Amino acid sequence: AQSVTQLDSHVSVSEGTPVLLRCNYSSSYSPSLFWYVQHPNKGLQLLLKYTSAATLVKGINGFEAEFKKSETSFHLTKPSAHMSDAAEYFCVVSDRGDMRFGAGTRLTVKP
Amino acid sequence: DTGVSQDPRHKITKRGQNVTFRCDPISEHNRLYWYRQTLGQGPEFLTYFQNEAQLEKSRLLSDRFSAERPKGSFSTLEIQRTEQGDSAMYLCASSLRGQMLNTEAFFGQGTRLTVV
Repeated sequence: AQSVTQLDSHVSVSEGTPVLLRCNYSSSYSPSLFWYVQHPNKGLQLLLKYTSAATLVKGINGFEAEFKKSETSFHLTKPSAHMSDAAEYFCVVSDRGDMRFGAGTRLTVKP
Repeated sequence: DTGVSQDPRHKITKRGQNVTFRCDPISEHNRLYWYRQTLGQGPEFLTYFQNEAQLEKSRLLSDRFSAERPKGSFSTLEIQRTEQGDSAMYLCASSLRGQMLNTEAFFGQGTRLTVV
């Protein structure tokens, strides 16, 4: 069965510093992996996706993620945090059909 | 088509009553998903459809829950004899399943259910 673990429930960074949100997955197949963002009282929005093409994936708003099969990881990064990045971030794995979410990482950005 | 639409956006019901939610996916999408999200948690998978066929149901989906997708278009999620523990945001999403892999899922705004 597929599953995903987000290693940090809460990450706090200062504006202008790098962001790292960690995600490890488990899948018996070649999975698709996604990162979604959820702002307060807003719907889920796709940041980026990996579907077996390039292992370094670029998304919206300057976010990137690298698929590392040997480490079963798909960590999300951004070189410089902005106040508007404060939100809940979800790592998602999908192999044959359903999509499984991690528990989420709350990103706080301090001025 | 402006995206995934869910109705109603909010529902308050008394314990023991039945409720039904509707989801209209993006028109060309063949996959439709239902999730439940409680405060501070990630969305929990409930069930998904490929066209009109319900392919998987989570153990979370008790006998009081039923979902349908007649004709492979819109979907309904019904909860019978609601309990206070059913209070949550119910999210619908749709995606396009190609020959190889899924495209990303697009989510609706959700239906917030409060059972009093």
